[in-house]
Amino acid sequence: GQQLNQSPQSMFIQEGEDVSMNCTSSSIFNTWLWYKQDPGEGPVLLIALYKAGELTSNGRLTAQFGITRKDSFLNISASIPSDVGIYFCAGSSGSARQLTFGSGTQLTVLP
Amino acid sequence: NAGVMQNPRHLVRRRGQEARLRCSPMKGHSHVYWYRQLPEEGLKFMVYLQKENIIDESGMPKERFSAEFPKEGPSILRIQQVVRGDSAAYFCASSPPGGGHGDEQFFGPGTRLTVL
Repeated sequence: GQQLNQSPQSMFIQEGEDVSMNCTSSSIFNTWLWYKQDPGEGPVLLIALYKAGELTSNGRLTAQFGITRKDSFLNISASIPSDVGIYFCAGSSGSARQLTFGSGTQLTVLP
Repeated sequence: NAGVMQNPRHLVRRRGQEARLRCSPMKGHSHVYWYRQLPEEGLKFMVYLQKENIIDESGMPKERFSAEFPKEGPSILRIQQVVRGDSAAYFCASSPPGGGHGDEQFFGPGTRLTVL
């Protein structure tokens, strides 16, 4: 089946720093989504990407849909303590609708 | 505007018992998905349903697991004769009907199943 490789697995950064994480796949996706999950909660949708090459921002978050349709990255600028959590990329092949998730990036923001 | 609702939030069962997990999608959403998450892993797709229809159950174990989304009421994920390996967080997601943004799935808070 399809697999997403997400990196890094974990990150420790200072408050105020920028952070970047990415996902790659061996197969093409038509949609890339980025989610954040807090402990004991469900994933919350941050950004959705629908077109190859698309660059989309949501506040301090910016994500891009790779032109090969096999990768995506998420940037968080000027990190704050509430950015702590696990970030997941997810891809969809359109007609299948099911989402394939990456293994997550655990972000820790140090004061 | 309530989001996706799941209950119970926590469920404890002994081996051999049945577990029933319920999910009410967001208002206006007609597509429901179930995912399973093991500790420190990503979510794994189980099944995709529309009202009264199972569209894709390719991620569902062949035995003991079943799902339904009746015309009235919530979607139900049922696990019969639970085993310890079924212990996980089970998430439900919903999405609006067809169209370009139909791939956006919104998740509920999950049900944490513990099998003793």
